[in-house]
Amino acid sequence: EVQLVESGGGLVEPGGSLRLSCAASGFSFSSVWMSWVRQAPGKGLEWVGRIRSRSDGGTTDYAAPVKGTITISRDDSKNTLYLQMDSLKTEDTAVYYCARFNTKDAFDIWGQGTVVTVSS
Amino acid sequence: QSALTQPASVSGSPGQSITISCTGTSSDVGTYNLVSWYQQHPGRAPKLMIYEGSKRPSGVSNRFSGSKSGNTASLTISGLQAEDEADYYCCSYAGSHIFYVFGTGTKVTVL
Repeated sequence: EVQLVESGGGLVEPGGSLRLSCAASGFSFSSVWMSWVRQAPGKGLEWVGRIRSRSDGGTTDYAAPVKGTITISRDDSKNTLYLQMDSLKTEDTAVYYCARFNTKDAFDIWGQGTVVTVSS
Repeated sequence: QSALTQPASVSGSPGQSITISCTGTSSDVGTYNLVSWYQQHPGRAPKLMIYEGSKRPSGVSNRFSGSKSGNTASLTISGLQAEDEADYYCCSYAGSHIFYVFGTGTKVTVL
């Protein structure tokens, strides 16, 4: 079964850091591009960033609002995607989804999401 | 970069057809044929319904169809069913600086 499972969310104080993980199974993780998408409480979806496959350079792109405060990485040996978030602000409070990014510029598989709450 | 504009809500009776619009600009929807649509039930993860403007992934009902005209993309749900009640989001590629922009979201209600 094709599956993505996020973990690592929780409560963190403003200015703190958090690393989210996304474990992939059921497909060839190393050959696909992956993305993170977030959704603030009661709000819409917001693209956060993506990482290319190693064969396509393994490089990353980030949304302007989070650029400089997040780092997306991957460990293909563990079939795992990561999102390192630093200098967190209250407005970063959201459900964070990892999603497989297909060759048609669409997010075709999504995890169940992990909740990040930034509050003092 | 502002979100793509969608109506806040659309409703219809079972069996009817409804259309959700997604209005962008010449920098995103108008230039790229890379609009995707997602269905999200409350408390659940989004699900891909349409990609490249009008193509359906395997397993998605043919009651869902997509189109585009100028800067506006549209999702049509025909033969509306109770299970179609959900939030729907469009998304478009917006070039190599903005990358991806989502729509504001539309709540579909089946009367």
